Amino acid sequence: GENVEQHPSTLSVQEGDSAVIKCTYSDSASNYFPWYKQELGKGPQLIIDIRSNVGEKKDQRIAVTLNKTAKHFSLHITETQPEDSAVYFCAASPNTGNQFYFGTGTSLTVIP
Amino acid sequence: GAVVSQHPSRVICKSGTSVKIECRSLDFQATTMFWYRQFPKKSLMLMATSNEGSKATYEQGVEKDKFLINHASLTLSTLTVTSAHPEDSSFYICSAGDRGSETQYFGPGTRLLVL
Repeated sequence: GENVEQHPSTLSVQEGDSAVIKCTYSDSASNYFPWYKQELGKGPQLIIDIRSNVGEKKDQRIAVTLNKTAKHFSLHITETQPEDSAVYFCAASPNTGNQFYFGTGTSLTVIP
Repeated sequence: GAVVSQHPSRVICKSGTSVKIECRSLDFQATTMFWYRQFPKKSLMLMATSNEGSKATYEQGVEKDKFLINHASLTLSTLTVTSAHPEDSSFYICSAGDRGSETQYFGPGTRLLVL
């Protein structure tokens, strides 16, 4: 089955700096890769996603890149703000309606 | 984005009682919903896949008789923790996706505390 690894597990950055979180996956059949932000005591919220036919996607300060050959994808947050502090999860999915395979999460702290 | 709700958001119960958690897709229909359990500072652990009109599919190690799942309609799935014990205390989260879409939207979670 699919195995998703995520690094780093914790990340601290100064406000205004960039943050990068990386994930790798093992199943070449995976073709959908969402990123979720989870604040304390709340459910994960989808922040951006990318499909395997696209190499990069950007939404304001957030971007995701995908390297299918190397089987890795990354989340980039620029101009970080304190409200970006949360736990971020990557996931991989092989097909529509199938389960997601989640990374282990990255706790991001943005220091004011 | 699509909205998924969960009820209750928090529940405290005595050991031995049963607790029902509801997961609703508010503005779309979901033939499949997923139930997760999350321990503090840990990732989401898939418990089962809830299929509308049929039996749920449970992950290895998850007791189907303890965690009863019912998906009676395209907008509602329920998870019942039967004969709850303190070790069942956890954060339970559901997710659902619109038919034909890969995207899964998560509910806000239910914090269960069994005394």
